[in-house]
Amino acid sequence: GAVVSQHPSRVICKSGTSVKIECRSLDFQATTMFWYRQFPKKSLMLMATSNEGSKATYEQGVEKDKFLINHASLTLSTLTVTSAHPEDSSFYICSARESPNTGELFFGEGSRLTVL
Amino acid sequence: AQKVTQAQTEISVVEKEDVTLDCVYETRDTTYYLFWYKQPPSGELVFLIRRNSFDEQNEISGRYSWNFQKSTSSFNFTITASQVVDSAVYFCALSVFQGAQKLVFGQGTRLTINP
Repeated sequence: GAVVSQHPSRVICKSGTSVKIECRSLDFQATTMFWYRQFPKKSLMLMATSNEGSKATYEQGVEKDKFLINHASLTLSTLTVTSAHPEDSSFYICSARESPNTGELFFGEGSRLTVL
Repeated sequence: AQKVTQAQTEISVVEKEDVTLDCVYETRDTTYYLFWYKQPPSGELVFLIRRNSFDEQNEISGRYSWNFQKSTSSFNFTITASQVVDSAVYFCALSVFQGAQKLVFGQGTRLTINP
């Protein structure tokens, strides 16, 4: 199947700094990518939908200025956690879809963010 | 709005037992996809199955089988002759054909297979 890769897989940062997480589709062009957040022992919550070349659509309750999403190319979407705080510590997972009309989604390996 | 409910938070069985993970979904859409994913301790999501709303046939893949019943809005997952390697968190998810087709996940069921 298609491959979606996230980087970094783990990151530890100090409170107040910004962290960027990359999501790449390695063998297909992803017109749409989704960013999910997973708290420990909890389900995955959709944060935002990013479409190549346009602004991301954020879910209710997600701060767009806090979680900056950029989808500048068909193979790369980035999530930047700005001015990170300990409560932003979480597991972030991206998924990508090749075709706009199928339900086939491919997930990255996830990125675990720890804010000290 | 869509909703997925996995009522079993945790299940623990002894190896070689059969185990069924329940999934109940809600949607007003007539066309949709249902999924099961496995999340081992390493964290990545492993795709297990996708089923569209027009196909109610049950499916078997090795020790895994899925029972889709639209009448009860359920999409249950059974592992036969469970193995320790089956230990993981399992998520049921739903997406609709219209709109962004984003996935709505259930709360997950933590399955522990004891030797």
